[in-house]
Amino acid sequence: DAMVIQNPRYQVTQFGKPVTLSCSQTLNHNVMYWYQQKSSQAPKLLFHYYDKDFNNEADTPDNFQSRRPNTSFCFLDIRSPGLGDAAMYLCATSGTPAHTDTQYFGPGTRLTVL
Amino acid sequence: QKEVEQDPGPLSVPEGAIVSLNCTYSNSAFQYFMWYRQYSRKGPELLMYTYSSGNKEDGRFTAQVDKSSKYISLFIRDSQPSDSATYLCALRRNSGNTPLVFGKGTRLSVIA
Repeated sequence: DAMVIQNPRYQVTQFGKPVTLSCSQTLNHNVMYWYQQKSSQAPKLLFHYYDKDFNNEADTPDNFQSRRPNTSFCFLDIRSPGLGDAAMYLCATSGTPAHTDTQYFGPGTRLTVL
Repeated sequence: QKEVEQDPGPLSVPEGAIVSLNCTYSNSAFQYFMWYRQYSRKGPELLMYTYSSGNKEDGRFTAQVDKSSKYISLFIRDSQPSDSATYLCALRRNSGNTPLVFGKGTRLSVIA
């Protein structure tokens, strides 16, 4: 089945220790998104790629970076995780960034920062 | 005032009940309205998608948009325990590549 896959599902890291979360998709979608979702809060868009074009949200901290080496894969790098970065990180894809296009979400990676 | 307001619940109903979930928004630029369902430990999945005021029905689910009141609703008829999840409204402006703005989500439990 075509899908959005996130690894790992659960990630534990130490305060200040860099961590990388990965997302892969078999949908061959052009757009990949990274969201941060804290408990009982709305998903918050961090950035997205339209093909190789990177679009950063204005309020995304510099501590968060992303890489998209090819159509299928996208990575979220947190350079120096703080306690406030503990959250669920959701990857999503869509065929185009157009308003009519559905976003397909992965199962998420839950990040714990000790 | 936040762009999108959604009562987080939790909402607990008996099986078979009609459920009403709601969001209000402040910016009249929003033109596209979606409801996502998120099961525990899973990513959100699109449930309903509407454009413009009015109703849209899909099986037991009805999405309703009232642009004049800036109010959107999702109704679930004959609710089932399998409907137990968090329901997120998501809105989008009418201008090309714009992000979804999500509500906080309402957690629903349907008790058998």
